[in-house]
Amino acid sequence: QQQVKQSPQSLIVQKGGISIINCAYENTAFDYFPWYQQFPGKGPALLIAIRPDVSEKKEGRFTISFNKSAKQFSLHIMDSQPGDSATYFCAAADYKLSFGAGTTVTVRA
Amino acid sequence: DAEITQSPRHKITETGRQVTLACHQTWNHNNMFWYRQDLGHGLRLIHYSYGVQDTNKGEVSDGYSVSRSNTEDLPLTLESAASSQTSVYFCASAGGGTDTQYFGPGTRLTVL
Repeated sequence: QQQVKQSPQSLIVQKGGISIINCAYENTAFDYFPWYQQFPGKGPALLIAIRPDVSEKKEGRFTISFNKSAKQFSLHIMDSQPGDSATYFCAAADYKLSFGAGTTVTVRA
Repeated sequence: DAEITQSPRHKITETGRQVTLACHQTWNHNNMFWYRQDLGHGLRLIHYSYGVQDTNKGEVSDGYSVSRSNTEDLPLTLESAASSQTSVYFCASAGGGTDTQYFGPGTRLTVL
């Protein structure tokens, strides 16, 4: 049973638009929430991560929003670019990582 | 530069055969992990190791085994390959705890 639920499975956004991916979890022992980005034929790579003591973290065009009481967190990609087309995985960690099912993002030029 | 490599990158085998997938990292990381990636399931943990001689089962460990004889390598063995084990396999390493995991390029395994 997947410990981290991720939605949507896929999304298409126009260049310059905003992509939003949502994740939810139940295990309150999770204390680290990374997002990984994966391009076709490659392994996932860490994109951005947050710990539950902050509600938001921004790195460039990528922002994580974290709601501890709701046990939800989301990734926002601002000003989406064609180079952002990839699969994005949320994850949550206690002593190991549990991954969501992934979201394939397609940015149309 | 430090890296993590996997071999082979592609493998086709037959049901019932033993298969070993190699993973080698030069990060000098204590922690190493094996995942399988299947559409709709994301990345699922097969086995992991927190150091030499240490191995642990993940959520989908049935039919797989690992051994850790040195820091750099964690080979994954499929004892008797089954069609349900057709997947893309990723190895990862991390310095410790919840440190960033660095993933290899993956091995695409097909079991006929």
